[in-house]
Amino acid sequence: QKEVEQNSGPLSVPEGAIASLNCTYSDRVSQSFFWYRQYSGKSPELIMSIYSNGDKEDGRFTAQLNKASQYVSLLIRDSQPSDSATYLCALPSPGGYNKLIFGAGTRLAVHP
Amino acid sequence: GAGVSQSPSNKVTEKGKDVELRCDPISGHTALYWYRQSLGQGLEFLIYFQGNSAPDKSGLPSDRFSAERTGGSVSTLTIQRTQQEDSAVYLCASSSTGLAGSEQFFGPGTRLTVL
Repeated sequence: QKEVEQNSGPLSVPEGAIASLNCTYSDRVSQSFFWYRQYSGKSPELIMSIYSNGDKEDGRFTAQLNKASQYVSLLIRDSQPSDSATYLCALPSPGGYNKLIFGAGTRLAVHP
Repeated sequence: GAGVSQSPSNKVTEKGKDVELRCDPISGHTALYWYRQSLGQGLEFLIYFQGNSAPDKSGLPSDRFSAERTGGSVSTLTIQRTQQEDSAVYLCASSSTGLAGSEQFFGPGTRLTVL
């Protein structure tokens, strides 16, 4: 099993809909989780961090964490064409230091 | 303040040449990381600096790769005798601390093409 798994997509949603992006991970002791957005040809941009079980909301973005199920998700409400990008889930590698392990990313396409 | 900066943004080199990639982290960030993103591959960790020390070099693919950081700030990643498989986007990130959970912010990357 990969350490961080994401569906590669593409996930296609109409403008205005809710996009739901999912990530599962194998390290049971992980305490912090990150969502990055990466536009084509650009570098990853941090959009959400989550450390506790439950939901964390920031504008149109909501991150949801369930440590028991080893599952973290990102919801994007009122999706816009400008949200079309690859979304990367990441968490620190077990064993110390803060090097991040990334999922392969889910490509999101929001169509008008 | 300014974000992470990297130079050059693009580098084209011939196989066998040496290249140097530079990263200037966010001011005050003590932790600095190098990652690599290859076409069709995910982001992979290369090396981590805390201050000027590199406690984790486990991601460097071969001894042709080396990195240093001076003054607790600027870092240089050097690739000697470049090979075509070194072609990738090299990304630098920094965080305020090296503690697990500290948010990392990426620079724009250097796209390296080895002919």
